[in-house]
Amino acid sequence: NAGVTQTPKFRVLKTGQSMTLLCAQDMNHEYMYWYRQDPGMGLRLIHYSVGEGTTAKGEVPDGYNVSRLKKQNFLLGLESAAPSQTSVYFCASSYPGDKRPQHFGDGTRLSIL
Amino acid sequence: RKEVEQDPGPFNVPEGATVAFNCTYSNSASQSFFWYRQDCRKEPKLLMSVYSSGNEDGRFTAQLNRASQYISLLIRDSKLSDSATYLCVVNTGISSGSARQLTFGSGTQLTVLP
Repeated sequence: NAGVTQTPKFRVLKTGQSMTLLCAQDMNHEYMYWYRQDPGMGLRLIHYSVGEGTTAKGEVPDGYNVSRLKKQNFLLGLESAAPSQTSVYFCASSYPGDKRPQHFGDGTRLSIL
Repeated sequence: RKEVEQDPGPFNVPEGATVAFNCTYSNSASQSFFWYRQDCRKEPKLLMSVYSSGNEDGRFTAQLNRASQYISLLIRDSKLSDSATYLCVVNTGISSGSARQLTFGSGTQLTVLP
């Protein structure tokens, strides 16, 4: 029962480097989301997707790009990493519908030096 | 004002105690409400949805007050395993059919002491 799987679990980058975080879900969920969580703040939505081939901006999209080429995968890219992007990143997925819960991956801890 | 506000705590209570958390939200158009639980350095997990009439799941009771725009979570007979951060989550939702955009509170930390 994999659920939502995020890779990598940890990563340290230098300022200006780029990287891609991968999220994979095996629950056939239509919707997928990327959040970041910082100390003292709630999870904030970066980007989301309502289906294969579609993406949309969330609350804090700047500095990130996403792609949803396959229904089960949602990729988050950092084009040019900045120290302000040091955070814990969570991916989530859900069925459509207002009452459906979101299922989260166990997070990626990213440090930008 | 934050869209979803919670008392950060920490709440330190003895085993067996009853503890209550409140959460206020600013968007009166919010339609769905949830409590999630997050253990230290782990992912958030759904604890329970919050329904208009209030709902109970074992030792946990959730209530919604739309007029005052707050949600509460009551935990009875606290267990050591209840120690976690409790996140109040509100769907400030766009429109029917769109992805639900959830707004998370920053969480209330609970420690249950032996």
